[in-house]
Amino acid sequence: EPEVTQTPSHQVTQMGQEVILRCVPISNHLYFYWYRQILGQKVEFLVSFYNNEISEKSEIFDDQFSVERPDGSNFTLKIRSTKLEDSAMYFCASSESRLAGTEQYFGPGTRLTVT
Amino acid sequence: GQSLEQPSEVTAVEGAIVQINCTYQTSGFYGLSWYQQHDGGAPTFLSYNALDGLEETGRFSSFLSRSDSYGYLLLQELQMKDSASYFCAVSQAGTALIFGKGTTLSVSS
Repeated sequence: EPEVTQTPSHQVTQMGQEVILRCVPISNHLYFYWYRQILGQKVEFLVSFYNNEISEKSEIFDDQFSVERPDGSNFTLKIRSTKLEDSAMYFCASSESRLAGTEQYFGPGTRLTVT
Repeated sequence: GQSLEQPSEVTAVEGAIVQINCTYQTSGFYGLSWYQQHDGGAPTFLSYNALDGLEETGRFSSFLSRSDSYGYLLLQELQMKDSASYFCAVSQAGTALIFGKGTTLSVSS
């Protein structure tokens, strides 16, 4: 069964450093997302991406965040200058369409720890 | 603002039936989804309701009342493997899912 994959599974970085989280969405999906989940809290939407541009972003997705689809398979989230409060699990997701309620397939997540 | 309210914890025994409620206040509403998450793993899709009424998928059913801004997930014939967190999530005009805080279900034997 096709699945979303993410690397690395765990990333430890120092405050102020840049990190890039990588995702490979399901191959025939056209819509890609990043969510984050601070430990013990709810899943929060960051950004959606379609046709090589951002479709929608939340208030959390400020200028320190960026997304890119550098090739035909990878989808990345870059955090330019990490802060302690960026420590969270980051989930990538993809879907076939943008219709409301379309199942979003989540990857296993990257646990980011900022020290 | 936007808010989704669901109970933080629910406990039940194997074989029982449990209902997890979700009330929402959001600007714009297309439908209500339910996702399951085991131990901080990947959330997985369970169901989606756009219209009022009950949707049944095996042991799980989901209900929506748009006029009451209310929905629930019903889990029947509970099994130990159903122990997980369950999130309701609202779809608005775009593709973003707005998640509730989640309900931790503990199933005991």
